[in-house]
Amino acid sequence: DTEVTQTPKHLVMGMTNKKSLKCEQHMGHRAMYWYKQKAKKPPELMFVYSYEKLSINESVPSRFSPECPNSSLLNLHLHALQPEDSALYLCASRPGGGAYNEQFFGPGTRLTVL
Amino acid sequence: GQQVMQIPQYQHVQEGEDFTTYCNSSTTLSNIQWYKQRPGGHPVFLIQLVKSGEVKKQKRLTFQFGEAKKNSSLHITATQTTDVGTYFCAGPSGNTPLVFGKGTRLSVIA
Repeated sequence: DTEVTQTPKHLVMGMTNKKSLKCEQHMGHRAMYWYKQKAKKPPELMFVYSYEKLSINESVPSRFSPECPNSSLLNLHLHALQPEDSALYLCASRPGGGAYNEQFFGPGTRLTVL
Repeated sequence: GQQVMQIPQYQHVQEGEDFTTYCNSSTTLSNIQWYKQRPGGHPVFLIQLVKSGEVKKQKRLTFQFGEAKKNSSLHITATQTTDVGTYFCAGPSGNTPLVFGKGTRLSVIA
């Protein structure tokens, strides 16, 4: 299995809702990432998990809460989001160990906040 | 931190023409990666360059890393409609493992 899967594909939520995004990989990768991508912009790093521990938080608002239950799974919990949080949320993974490894991206969750 | 500038922002070419996108960094890069994102898709890794002056080829794609490791280019020979998408360079910056350039959006007119 050489892919990263993400669910759901699309999500529409109100500003008072609580929802979660899910990412899964079975490649044995030990580093996992959350990115946010607005239309016609590059992906922007949000969080990095390395060996299931949060290693980087790029000053992301607390309404986004990441979780790494195990080495294959990465969640992003969403609460009280704003319309400007509407974007494509991408998960990625890489083998971990060694500085220079490609990142494998999932297909993303397209989020709309009303 | 390091900033990765990428030009041009857009490029429209006739099918069969060549295409080049350029990346410039304000600081020396330990490595640079290139990704392609098709319309409606997700970034897909193309290549990683590590060595000063490195040149790598993948069929019609040629990737170069500058001698000073501050710039890089991607050249596509004889573009095809399947080359359509946005090409991003990306490199590490401080503690951030990957910072993406703004990307070059390529459209190919058949």
